[in-house]
Amino acid sequence: ETGVTQTPRHLVMGMTNKKSLKCEQHLGHNAMYWYKQSAKKPLELMFVYSLEERVENNSVPSRFSPECPNSSHLFLHLHTLQPEDSALYLCASSQRLAAEETQYFGPGTRLLVL
Amino acid sequence: GEDVEQSLFLSVREGDSSVINCTYTDSSSTYLYWYKQEPGAGLQLLTYIFSNMDMKQDQRLTVLLNKKDKHLSLRIADTQTGDSAIYFCAESSNSGYSTLTFGKGTMLLVSP
Repeated sequence: ETGVTQTPRHLVMGMTNKKSLKCEQHLGHNAMYWYKQSAKKPLELMFVYSLEERVENNSVPSRFSPECPNSSHLFLHLHTLQPEDSALYLCASSQRLAAEETQYFGPGTRLLVL
Repeated sequence: GEDVEQSLFLSVREGDSSVINCTYTDSSSTYLYWYKQEPGAGLQLLTYIFSNMDMKQDQRLTVLLNKKDKHLSLRIADTQTGDSAIYFCAESSNSGYSTLTFGKGTMLLVSP
């Protein structure tokens, strides 16, 4: 599955570090998403960039900051994270306003905050 | 609010059929999806069904939708050990931008 790629695949960081997750989609889509997957919880939508509009889940802490420089690239900037932020972070993309807007996912970045 | 419920675990023997069930609450959902997640991997789209359909078949996969009861099922015929994974049901919402509401996932364990 190479339509949506994510780097790094694994990341360990301390609470005072600053790091960024990267996502790239090669499907020509016009919407990209960040999800958080924690153990025993449903996938949580964090951010959506769709047709140059940004939508965010109001429950996401400000220590997570997304950036979408163009329709193919999406970043998630991380700073002063907490141990409870350890999770799998999944990126997805879709074609908005198409007949169906199926989301295609990347492999995820497994994040561990110490 | 929107909620998607799934049973958490299913165990079958290789060669049997597996049926994974899902209930949802948003009657305005346009599409319903099944995703598969293998250990350490992202979500792989398996299949989806449009809300005005009641059945969709794709090789070993059969999706049944009962819109009246808001019940969705995924049947896997001739289940193989490689089908062992977590299966997520998801519904789309009509909130002006494309979002999905996921269930917590059903872990399918296929034994030889």
